[in-house]
Amino acid sequence: DAGITQSPRHKVTETGTPVTLRCHQTENHRYMYWYRQDPGHGLRLIHYSYGVKDTDKGEVSDGYSVSRSKTEDFLLTLESATSSQTSVYFCAISSASTGTDTQYFGPGTRLTVL
Amino acid sequence: ILNVEQSPQSLHVQEGDSTNFTCSFPSSNFYALHWYRWETAKSPEALFVMTLNGDEKKKGRISATLNTKEGYSYLYIKGSQPEDSATYLCAFLGFNKFYFGSGTKLNVKP
Repeated sequence: DAGITQSPRHKVTETGTPVTLRCHQTENHRYMYWYRQDPGHGLRLIHYSYGVKDTDKGEVSDGYSVSRSKTEDFLLTLESATSSQTSVYFCAISSASTGTDTQYFGPGTRLTVL
Repeated sequence: ILNVEQSPQSLHVQEGDSTNFTCSFPSSNFYALHWYRWETAKSPEALFVMTLNGDEKKKGRISATLNTKEGYSYLYIKGSQPEDSATYLCAFLGFNKFYFGSGTKLNVKP
């Protein structure tokens, strides 16, 4: 198994509070991704990173920001959590930009916004 | 936003049946097509990465084909087993981003 961990694994928070999710890898892979999983939508890309301090938006980036100050850590922040951000969040890593390399997924974080 | 569509949404088969499902994606700006297997309460696991038109990949009883010109990929499972029950996701890589389909949920009855 690829060395990817996510923390916390479960979180319940209230509307309007900031929340930060952490993805940590031990594989030294260059690319890291944050997805959210919702019924009927599969996985949707929120943000991704192609190197330290290099990030770009995915298809559902509104209300989220990311930071990557070290190769091994990719943080996802919900600046002011809303109920629509209740979801399961997955981090993934890959080593190649060409898409010829597999993405490896973390165990997921279940976030509930009340 | 690109449309990646998978069909059918769900499938119920008997143990021993062979089955197949489809992933449709844009035929332009294609870089790669990934297939993943996703069991309930687990993380998606990679099955195949396909990059060339006409690619065929095989892993045990599972195989996949790719047609980039017409924008589709098929996943086949031969002699389905209960342990094959999972959601099968495809992901299209285009414009430097991955776009996932919503998956085909397979249930194999013993």
